[in-house]
Amino acid sequence: SQQGEEDPQALSIQEGENATMNCSYKTSINNLQWYRQNSGRGLVHLILIRSNEREKHSGRLRVTLDTSKKSSSLLITASRAADTASYFCAGGFSGGYNKLIFGAGTRLAVHP
Amino acid sequence: NAGVTQTPKFRVLKTGQSMTLLCAQDMNHEYMYWYRQDPGMGLRLIHYSVGEGTTAKGEVPDGYNVSRLKKQNFLLGLESAAPSQTSVYFCASSYSRRLSLNYGYTFGSGTRLTVV
Repeated sequence: SQQGEEDPQALSIQEGENATMNCSYKTSINNLQWYRQNSGRGLVHLILIRSNEREKHSGRLRVTLDTSKKSSSLLITASRAADTASYFCAGGFSGGYNKLIFGAGTRLAVHP
Repeated sequence: NAGVTQTPKFRVLKTGQSMTLLCAQDMNHEYMYWYRQDPGMGLRLIHYSVGEGTTAKGEVPDGYNVSRLKKQNFLLGLESAAPSQTSVYFCASSYSRRLSLNYGYTFGSGTRLTVV
Protein backbone atom coordinates (compact mmCIF):
# COMPACT_ATOMS: atom_id res chain seq x y z
CA SER A 1 0.00 0.00 0.00
CA GLN A 2 1.27 3.44 -0.84
CA GLN A 3 1.42 6.10 1.84
CA GLY A 4 2.24 9.01 -0.41
CA GLU A 5 0.62 10.01 -3.64
CA GLU A 6 2.51 12.56 -5.68
CA ASP A 7 0.94 15.12 -7.93
CA PRO A 8 1.58 15.66 -10.76
CA GLN A 9 2.83 12.32 -12.06
CA ALA A 10 4.96 14.15 -14.60
CA LEU A 11 6.16 17.74 -14.89
CA SER A 12 8.00 19.42 -17.76
CA ILE A 13 9.52 22.89 -17.33
CA GLN A 14 12.24 25.15 -18.71
CA GLU A 15 15.53 25.83 -16.98
CA GLY A 16 15.23 28.70 -14.54
CA GLU A 17 11.59 28.01 -13.73
CA ASN A 18 10.39 26.75 -10.38
CA ALA A 19 9.09 23.22 -10.00
CA THR A 20 6.45 22.33 -7.43
CA MET A 21 5.52 18.77 -6.56
CA ASN A 22 2.82 17.79 -4.11
CA CYS A 23 2.38 14.77 -1.94
CA SER A 24 -0.63 13.56 0.01
CA TYR A 25 -0.54 10.79 2.56
CA LYS A 26 -3.10 8.69 4.34
CA THR A 27 -2.12 8.07 7.95
CA SER A 28 -0.36 10.01 10.70
CA ILE A 29 3.38 10.18 10.30
CA ASN A 30 6.40 11.23 12.34
CA ASN A 31 8.22 12.77 9.41
CA LEU A 32 7.94 13.26 5.67
CA GLN A 33 10.94 12.70 3.47
CA TRP A 34 11.73 13.54 -0.14
CA TYR A 35 14.07 11.54 -2.34
CA ARG A 36 15.43 12.01 -5.86
CA GLN A 37 16.13 9.22 -8.31
CA ASN A 38 18.12 9.78 -11.47
CA SER A 39 17.42 7.38 -14.30
CA GLY A 40 18.90 3.96 -13.59
CA ARG A 41 20.22 4.94 -10.18
CA GLY A 42 19.27 4.54 -6.55
CA LEU A 43 17.29 7.02 -4.50
CA VAL A 44 19.08 9.89 -2.84
CA HIS A 45 17.75 11.47 0.34
CA LEU A 46 17.03 15.18 -0.17
CA ILE A 47 15.29 16.49 2.92
CA LEU A 48 13.34 15.40 5.98
CA ILE A 49 10.67 17.46 7.69
CA ARG A 50 9.31 16.44 11.08
CA SER A 51 5.63 16.37 11.88
CA ASN A 52 6.00 19.37 14.21
CA GLU A 53 7.65 21.49 11.50
CA ARG A 54 5.80 23.45 8.85
CA GLU A 55 8.56 24.49 6.48
CA LYS A 56 12.16 23.60 5.82
CA HIS A 57 14.80 24.84 3.40
CA SER A 58 17.90 23.26 1.96
CA GLY A 59 19.68 25.17 -0.80
CA ARG A 60 17.21 25.51 -3.67
CA LEU A 61 14.74 23.16 -2.00
CA ARG A 62 11.79 24.25 0.07
CA VAL A 63 9.51 21.72 1.72
CA THR A 64 6.24 22.42 3.45
CA LEU A 65 4.15 20.10 5.58
CA ASP A 66 0.50 20.50 6.50
CA THR A 67 -0.42 17.72 8.91
CA SER A 68 -4.06 18.84 9.08
CA LYS A 69 -4.40 18.23 5.34
CA LYS A 70 -1.95 15.33 5.31
CA SER A 71 -0.01 16.95 2.51
CA SER A 72 3.46 18.17 1.67
CA SER A 73 5.02 20.08 -1.18
CA LEU A 74 8.52 20.21 -2.59
CA LEU A 75 9.58 23.38 -4.39
CA ILE A 76 12.75 23.46 -6.46
CA THR A 77 13.67 27.03 -7.32
CA ALA A 78 15.62 28.15 -10.39
CA SER A 79 15.62 24.63 -11.81
CA ARG A 80 18.53 23.26 -13.82
CA ALA A 81 18.74 20.51 -16.42
CA ALA A 82 20.57 18.45 -13.79
CA ASP A 83 17.40 18.47 -11.66
CA THR A 84 15.78 16.15 -14.23
CA ALA A 85 14.86 13.06 -12.19
CA SER A 86 12.01 11.33 -10.42
CA TYR A 87 11.07 12.66 -7.00
CA PHE A 88 9.47 10.54 -4.31
CA CYS A 89 7.87 11.46 -1.05
CA ALA A 90 7.87 8.96 1.79
CA GLY A 91 5.95 8.95 5.04
CA GLY A 92 8.21 8.09 7.94
CA PHE A 93 7.48 6.45 11.27
CA SER A 94 10.15 6.69 13.95
CA GLY A 95 8.98 3.69 15.92
CA GLY A 96 9.95 0.13 15.15
CA TYR A 97 12.22 -0.12 12.14
CA ASN A 98 12.08 3.44 10.82
CA LYS A 99 9.35 2.44 8.43
CA LEU A 100 9.07 4.45 5.23
CA ILE A 101 6.21 4.14 2.77
CA PHE A 102 6.89 5.61 -0.64
CA GLY A 103 4.62 7.16 -3.19
CA ALA A 104 4.79 6.43 -6.91
CA GLY A 105 6.85 9.54 -7.67
CA THR A 106 6.81 12.60 -9.92
CA ARG A 107 8.93 12.59 -13.07
CA LEU A 108 10.48 16.01 -13.56
CA ALA A 109 12.00 17.05 -16.89
CA VAL A 110 13.90 20.33 -17.01
CA HIS A 111 14.66 21.49 -20.54
CA PRO A 112 17.65 23.71 -21.34
CA ASN B 1 33.48 5.69 -0.93
CA ALA B 2 31.09 5.23 1.97
CA GLY B 3 27.69 3.96 1.09
CA VAL B 4 25.62 0.95 0.10
CA THR B 5 26.94 -1.45 -2.52
CA GLN B 6 24.74 -3.95 -4.34
CA THR B 7 25.87 -6.87 -6.44
CA PRO B 8 25.16 -7.85 -9.13
CA LYS B 9 23.86 -4.84 -11.07
CA PHE B 10 22.07 -6.90 -13.71
CA ARG B 11 20.91 -10.49 -13.90
CA VAL B 12 18.71 -12.61 -16.14
CA LEU B 13 17.26 -15.77 -14.63
CA LYS B 14 15.17 -18.57 -16.02
CA THR B 15 11.96 -19.45 -14.23
CA GLY B 16 12.71 -21.76 -11.32
CA GLN B 17 16.35 -20.76 -10.91
CA SER B 18 17.66 -19.38 -7.65
CA MET B 19 19.96 -16.50 -6.87
CA THR B 20 21.21 -14.29 -4.07
CA LEU B 21 21.52 -10.53 -4.14
CA LEU B 22 24.18 -9.07 -1.90
CA CYS B 23 24.02 -5.74 -0.12
CA ALA B 24 26.94 -4.30 1.84
CA GLN B 25 27.09 -1.04 3.79
CA ASP B 26 30.07 0.58 5.47
CA MET B 27 28.31 3.26 7.52
CA ASN B 28 27.74 1.09 10.60
CA HIS B 29 23.98 1.42 10.13
CA GLU B 30 21.87 -0.78 12.37
CA TYR B 31 18.87 -1.10 10.05
CA MET B 32 18.81 -2.52 6.53
CA TYR B 33 16.02 -2.99 3.99
CA TRP B 34 15.22 -4.63 0.67
CA TYR B 35 12.76 -2.94 -1.68
CA ARG B 36 11.50 -3.71 -5.13
CA GLN B 37 10.56 -0.99 -7.59
CA ASP B 38 8.03 -1.57 -10.33
CA PRO B 39 6.73 1.01 -12.83
CA GLY B 40 4.03 3.22 -11.39
CA MET B 41 4.12 1.55 -7.98
CA GLY B 42 6.87 3.30 -6.12
CA LEU B 43 8.98 1.19 -3.79
CA ARG B 44 7.58 -1.73 -1.82
CA LEU B 45 9.33 -3.20 1.18
CA ILE B 46 10.21 -6.90 0.91
CA HIS B 47 12.12 -7.61 4.12
CA TYR B 48 14.05 -5.62 6.67
CA SER B 49 16.50 -6.10 9.53
CA VAL B 50 17.01 -4.10 12.69
CA GLY B 51 20.29 -5.73 13.60
CA GLU B 52 22.71 -8.56 13.06
CA GLY B 53 20.93 -11.90 13.18
CA THR B 54 17.43 -10.40 12.92
CA THR B 55 15.07 -10.21 9.95
CA ALA B 56 11.39 -9.46 9.46
CA LYS B 57 8.80 -9.44 6.70
CA GLY B 58 7.78 -6.31 4.92
CA GLU B 59 4.89 -5.60 2.59
CA VAL B 60 5.66 -8.13 -0.16
CA PRO B 61 7.80 -10.95 1.32
CA ASP B 62 6.42 -13.98 -0.55
CA GLY B 63 9.00 -15.75 -2.71
CA TYR B 64 11.97 -14.11 -0.97
CA ASN B 65 14.21 -14.96 1.96
CA VAL B 66 16.84 -12.86 3.68
CA SER B 67 19.75 -13.23 6.05
CA ARG B 68 21.88 -10.85 8.05
CA LEU B 69 24.76 -12.81 9.48
CA LYS B 70 27.00 -9.75 9.69
CA LYS B 71 25.97 -6.21 10.53
CA GLN B 72 27.29 -4.81 7.28
CA ASN B 73 25.69 -7.37 4.95
CA PHE B 74 22.07 -8.11 4.04
CA LEU B 75 21.36 -10.88 1.55
CA LEU B 76 18.17 -11.33 -0.46
CA GLY B 77 17.47 -14.78 -1.87
CA LEU B 78 15.07 -15.99 -4.51
CA GLU B 79 14.67 -19.75 -4.15
CA SER B 80 12.60 -20.36 -7.29
CA ALA B 81 12.39 -17.29 -9.49
CA ALA B 82 9.11 -16.39 -11.20
CA PRO B 83 8.42 -13.84 -13.97
CA SER B 84 6.46 -11.77 -11.43
CA GLN B 85 9.76 -11.15 -9.65
CA THR B 86 11.11 -9.23 -12.62
CA SER B 87 11.89 -5.88 -11.05
CA VAL B 88 14.56 -3.51 -9.87
CA TYR B 89 15.72 -4.34 -6.36
CA PHE B 90 17.11 -1.75 -4.01
CA CYS B 91 18.88 -2.20 -0.74
CA ALA B 92 18.90 0.62 1.81
CA SER B 93 20.23 1.22 5.29
CA SER B 94 19.60 3.69 8.08
CA TYR B 95 20.57 4.54 11.61
CA SER B 96 18.54 3.18 14.46
CA ARG B 97 15.50 4.93 15.87
CA ARG B 98 17.58 6.96 18.28
CA LEU B 99 19.27 8.83 15.44
CA SER B 100 16.62 8.49 12.77
CA LEU B 101 14.84 11.79 13.21
CA ASN B 102 17.55 13.67 11.32
CA TYR B 103 18.52 11.08 8.76
CA GLY B 104 16.91 9.29 5.90
CA TYR B 105 17.79 6.08 4.15
CA THR B 106 20.92 5.51 2.12
CA PHE B 107 20.19 3.49 -1.00
CA GLY B 108 22.31 1.28 -3.20
CA SER B 109 22.29 1.71 -6.98
CA GLY B 110 19.98 -1.24 -7.57
CA THR B 111 19.91 -4.66 -9.23
CA ARG B 112 17.87 -5.06 -12.39
CA LEU B 113 16.52 -8.60 -12.45
CA THR B 114 14.69 -10.18 -15.35
CA VAL B 115 13.06 -13.58 -15.00
CA VAL B 116 12.21 -15.27 -18.29
